[in-house]
Amino acid sequence: DIQMTQSPSTLSASVGDRVTITCRASQNVGIKLAWYQQKPGKAPNLLIYKTSILEDGVPSRFSGSGSGTEFTLTIGSLQPDDFATYFCQHYIAYPFTFGPGTKVDI
Amino acid sequence: QVYLVQSGAEVKRPGASLRLSCKTSGYSFSSYSIHWLRRVPGQRLEWMGWINCANGDTRYSQQFQGRLTITKDTSASTAYMDLSSLGSEDTALYYCAREIISCGYQNWGQGTLVTVSS
Repeated sequence: DIQMTQSPSTLSASVGDRVTITCRASQNVGIKLAWYQQKPGKAPNLLIYKTSILEDGVPSRFSGSGSGTEFTLTIGSLQPDDFATYFCQHYIAYPFTFGPGTKVDI
Repeated sequence: QVYLVQSGAEVKRPGASLRLSCKTSGYSFSSYSIHWLRRVPGQRLEWMGWINCANGDTRYSQQFQGRLTITKDTSASTAYMDLSSLGSEDTALYYCAREIISCGYQNWGQGTLVTVSS
């Protein structure tokens, strides 16, 4: 199985900060990578797919980049609604696997 | 609007079986696959398996082979997940999700908490 790691595990930031989260895959996943946001008690919410394509309705302050084994999620200017946990997921082959998550807090 | 509504919380004894449902609406059920995932407390999300809602093909994670079955009722736009021989390690929050091929999980159910305890 492809192992996904993320760094950092926790990130303390302020409103207006630029935030970058890194996701690494143990094997080449091409660009078949998605990012999700999850808030306590809620289901995950798809932010980005195919590494860099924003899901409909996702604010443009979110962006994704990378390919192969290293990927980043950037939040251009952190907003109060962005304090949440973010995780990556590859979908190049079964089993799809997920990163452990990065908690963004104040 | 797409909705995936899961069945309610369950408490099961070790060794029992579990059936969860995922009722969908707002789209053509047969045009997309439904996946089942879970999050064991303190662990990352884990993919369990999926069903092709057009033809009923399924694929399961090796970890659940032999005790996981995913089915569908097209007339009810509902997918089901059956998990047998439950153990305490199956205590988790279970999700169904609609996959858009090569685009990730666009829609999720609300999650179903399953507790396995004697």
